Formats: sequence, C-alpha cells, structure tokens
Amino acid sequence: GAVVSQHPSWVICKSGTSVKIECRSLDFQATTMFWYRQFPKQSLMLMATSNEGSKATYEQGVEKDKFLINHASLTLSTLTVTSAHPEDSSFYICSAPGRDRYGYTFGSGTRLTVV
Amino acid sequence: QKEVEQNSGPLSVPEGAIASLNCTYSDRVSQSFFWYRQYSGKSPELIMSIYSNGDKEDGRFTAQLNKASQYVSLLIRDSQPSDSATYLCAVNTETSYDKVIFGPGTSLSVIP
Repeated sequence: GAVVSQHPSWVICKSGTSVKIECRSLDFQATTMFWYRQFPKQSLMLMATSNEGSKATYEQGVEKDKFLINHASLTLSTLTVTSAHPEDSSFYICSAPGRDRYGYTFGSGTRLTVV
Repeated sequence: QKEVEQNSGPLSVPEGAIASLNCTYSDRVSQSFFWYRQYSGKSPELIMSIYSNGDKEDGRFTAQLNKASQYVSLLIRDSQPSDSATYLCAVNTETSYDKVIFGPGTSLSVIP
C-alpha cells in the first residue's frame, strides 16, 4: 500500500529557531501533499496544500512566511517552521492522496515542542 | 457554519454494545466521505470510505450515507476496549476533489 514516511517523529527546539519536517512518499508519486496541524484534543486543521513544482496554497489565517513549504520532487514535501514560538508547539501531520479513491495516506506525524 | 460537524462526545459504551457516531456536512456537492480512527498521539488511520447513499459494511463497522440529509454515520458493533479512540469524519470539498476537511472528532470510550 501507499506509504508516507514523516520525519522527525518528535523534535524539541528553542524559541526563535527553525525546524524542518519532511514527508516522503515511499512507493508512489505524490504530486500533492496536505499539511495539517493538530492541537491537543482538537481535530486536524488543514494548513496548506503543496504541489510539486509550484507554490503551495495556504489556508486562511496561516502565515506563509512562517510556515515554508517546499515540494521540489514527486516524492518529497517539506514544511519548515521558521522562528518557532511556544504557540507553534503542536502535532504536524502530512497526508497524500492515495492511488485510488480509498482514503488518504498519512505520515506518522511530528510532535513539535518549542521551549 | 462549520463544514463538518460531529456529535461532541465523549461517548461511552459498554463492551459488546453498539457505538453510533454521527456526522453532518455543509457542502451539498461533496462526493467522498471517510471515517478515520485516531489513537492519542498517533496519526489517523482509515476505517471506512463511502461514496453512495446507503449502508456499507466492513466487519464490525457499518457506514451509512444520506446525501439528501447531508449526513453520514458510523456504527461499531460488538464494541471492544481497543475501539476506544477519537473518530474523525472527513469529507472532500467542492473546490478540489483531493482536499479533505475533517470534523472535530468524537471521542469514544468502550468500558470493559
């Protein structure tokens, strides 16, 4: 089945630093990757949609200069949280449309803690 | 109005009972509907997908879709403690077939 590998699974960083999260599609080509953020006891909130070879599409209220998305190849999409602050601490998950209509493949998630 | 709504929960059922999870959506032209299960600290995993009106059964799970009422539900028969998790309803949007919006989730607790 389709597999999306997400790294790192957790990261702790200091305020003001940047953190990069990678999602790779291992056995299929993902021309589109969705990036979600999930705060404790809340649902997944779509942040942005990355498209291979073009600019990402950001949801309303998401700062594109803070959350940099790059989708340089058909198998790799990255999310960089720049100048991280404690309020950016969250669970970040990527997802790619599957090969068929049967759901979407999620990465394992990245737990970001900014101290 | 929120695009996807679910009964707030938490929902507690005894082991062996039927758990009923409900979801309504606002985009009338939505075509694809999904139920995901999410354990604490983990990514969601797909349980069921449904595209046509009616019922779809897979093991202990039955998804029900009523597009006229913009309603989709998930029934879990013979509930087990391992079913305790948050269940997320997800619906594709009109603007992009691949873009899926998640509901807030319903927390289910199955009591042994």
